[in-house]
Amino acid sequence: KQEVTQIPAALSVPEGENLVLNCSFTDSAIYNLQWFRQDPGKGLTSLLLIQSSQREQTSGRLNASLDKSSGRSTLYIAASQPGDSATYLCAVRELKAAGNKLTFGGGTRVLVKP
Amino acid sequence: GAVVSQHPSWVICKSGTSVKIECRSLDFQATTMFWYRQFPKQSLMLMATSNEGSKATYEQGVEKDKFLINHASLTLSTLTVTSAHPEDSSFYICSARETGLLGEQYFGPGTRLTVT
Repeated sequence: KQEVTQIPAALSVPEGENLVLNCSFTDSAIYNLQWFRQDPGKGLTSLLLIQSSQREQTSGRLNASLDKSSGRSTLYIAASQPGDSATYLCAVRELKAAGNKLTFGGGTRVLVKP
Repeated sequence: GAVVSQHPSWVICKSGTSVKIECRSLDFQATTMFWYRQFPKQSLMLMATSNEGSKATYEQGVEKDKFLINHASLTLSTLTVTSAHPEDSSFYICSARETGLLGEQYFGPGTRLTVT
């Protein structure tokens, strides 16, 4: 059974610092991995989606890497801003035929202090 | 991008009553929809997978008679929490997947259910 772990569970940094969020998964037979942002009481906003054949994806200040063989992904957020404060979730989609479900990690709660 | 809506966005109900939550894909057809539950400061837990025109598939530990799911069309799925109790209070999020086993999955804004 796929298990997704995110470390750390919470992170507090001063504004301007770079953020490094880690995600690990136990079964490397994945179709893709996705990073989401969730604000309190809100739904999910997709940030980056990395296909299993890709090593990284970039969007603005965000960069996500994927090392499928070691079961790891890292989300980098450069020059953090208070508006980056949110919970960040990673999720993997497996290649199994039964439903291709997304399995979520526990999330990392980020606080960027002004 | 594709949009998924949920209604209502929040609901308060009395213990013992039933509550229906709607999930709609607004600009695409979704053969498959997913229902998640999220408790405070926890991640999303998949409750069930809903396929248009067929019975939903429930995850282990989720009572199918308590959480009734209907996926009557390619754009609408409903979750009914029957005989709600305070422990059912949670944030319910639906997700719709574009037609095709590997179609992209889009998430709704969530519904906050409070049972008093």
